[in-house]
Amino acid sequence: AQSVTQPDIHITVSEGASLELRCNYSYGATPYLFWYVQSPGQGLQLLLKYFSGDTLVQGIKGFEAEFKRSQSSFNLRKPSVHWSDAAEYFCAGNTGNQFYFGTGTSLTVIP
Amino acid sequence: ETGVTQTPRHLVMGMTNKKSLKCEQHLGHNAMYWYKQSAKKPLELMFVYNFKEQTENNSVPSRFSPECPNSSHLFLHLHTLQPEDSALYLCASSRDTALSPLHFGNGTRLTVT
Repeated sequence: AQSVTQPDIHITVSEGASLELRCNYSYGATPYLFWYVQSPGQGLQLLLKYFSGDTLVQGIKGFEAEFKRSQSSFNLRKPSVHWSDAAEYFCAGNTGNQFYFGTGTSLTVIP
Repeated sequence: ETGVTQTPRHLVMGMTNKKSLKCEQHLGHNAMYWYKQSAKKPLELMFVYNFKEQTENNSVPSRFSPECPNSSHLFLHLHTLQPEDSALYLCASSRDTALSPLHFGNGTRLTVT
């Protein structure tokens, strides 16, 4: 079955530290992959997407993600986290049928 | 105003009430969606409309009734809901239903008492 898994329910990092959020996918074919962010009381905002080509994709707000076919992963990274990055992050996949979302990773940023 | 707008932002209703959620998109997209977001669960796709035609009904109970009068507007009519229907209901739009990214509204927080 097609699915997207986010192993970490909650992550806490210090402001200025680096961040990596994990995402694994399970699809028959390589899906299109997305990362979304949801701030409290808001809808989901697209951070970045991977369709094909360069496996390292750049997104908004200084985020990037790397597609690794061998590990079926699409982890989100940011070199230096800001307090405003505290939010819920969702990984999603799509093979042309419909979107499958992970359960989300909640990020807390401490001063 | 651009983007996807949902009203109301919050709604409290009894199990015997009838209410409607509204969504409007100003992005020129052709596809619109309703998702249900419950705590600690993946987003659940409820309905998909493409060019005003419903293309997906993800086994949603009949107490939820969608309406899409045009490509810019989407409604979700609610009646005789259950407390377990309390959730954040998100509307989204996309250029088409293939692989275009979804653009979400801020959601309606629904509480059923």
